[in-house]
Amino acid sequence: QVQLVQSGTEVKKPGSSVKVSCKASGETFNTFGIHWVRQAPGQGLEWMGVIIPIFDTPNYGQRFQGRVSITADKSTGTVFMEVKRLASEDTAVYYCAKERRPGHFYYGFDVWGQGTPVIVSS
Amino acid sequence: DIQMTQSPSSLSASVGDRVTITCQASRDIDNHLIWFQQKPGTAPKVLIYDASTLEAGVSSRFSGSGFETDFTFTISSLQPEDAATYYCQQYYNVPYTFGQGTKLDI
Repeated sequence: QVQLVQSGTEVKKPGSSVKVSCKASGETFNTFGIHWVRQAPGQGLEWMGVIIPIFDTPNYGQRFQGRVSITADKSTGTVFMEVKRLASEDTAVYYCAKERRPGHFYYGFDVWGQGTPVIVSS
Repeated sequence: DIQMTQSPSSLSASVGDRVTITCQASRDIDNHLIWFQQKPGTAPKVLIYDASTLEAGVSSRFSGSGFETDFTFTISSLQPEDAATYYCQQYYNVPYTFGQGTKLDI
C-alpha cells in the first residue's frame, strides 16, 4: 500500500512561516486528493484544506483562507502546505491524508502521513 | 459547515465488553462517514469507511452502521490494545469535519 512520508519536526518563531512536505512512496498520487489536517496538543482534529495535484486548485477551510497555501509538484509527486504568520496557537502536529479514490473529493481518507510536529515559540 | 456531535467524550470498559459510540451529523451526509482510531503519538488509523465498510486488515470486532444523520460505531469484544481515542469524520462536503473524539480506557 502507498505510504505518505512527511518532512521532519519544525521549530519556528512567531510571525515566521513553515512549509511541510508530503510525498508518496511506492507510487505517485497526482490524481488523488491530498488533504491537510492538524491536531494541537491534547486537542481534536481540524481539517485545513485539500488539493488534487493534476487540477492544481486548492480548497481551504475558511479559518485558514489567506494564511495557508497548499501546492503540488507533479514532477516529484510531492504536496506542500505552507502556513504564514505563525502564532503560538499554530503549534500542532500537521498530517497529510490521501483520498481513497482518484479524481475528486468525497471518498474519504485511506492513508495518513506520519505527522509533522510544528512548534511555534519565541 | 456540517457539525459532527460525538458521544460519549470518554468511557471506561473492561476486556470482553461491548462498547458503542455514536456520532450525529447536523444534516444528511448519506453514508459519507469514517471512523478512526488514534493512539498517543501516532497518526489516525482508518477502521470503517462509508459508514459500515471495514477497512482491509482491520479486526472484525469493529463495526459501523447508520445513514443520513445518525451513526454508530461498535467494538464487539474489547481487547487491551483497543485503548485509544476514536473519531468520526464526515466527507460529504468540504470542509471535512470531525467529531470531538471518544477516549476509551480499558
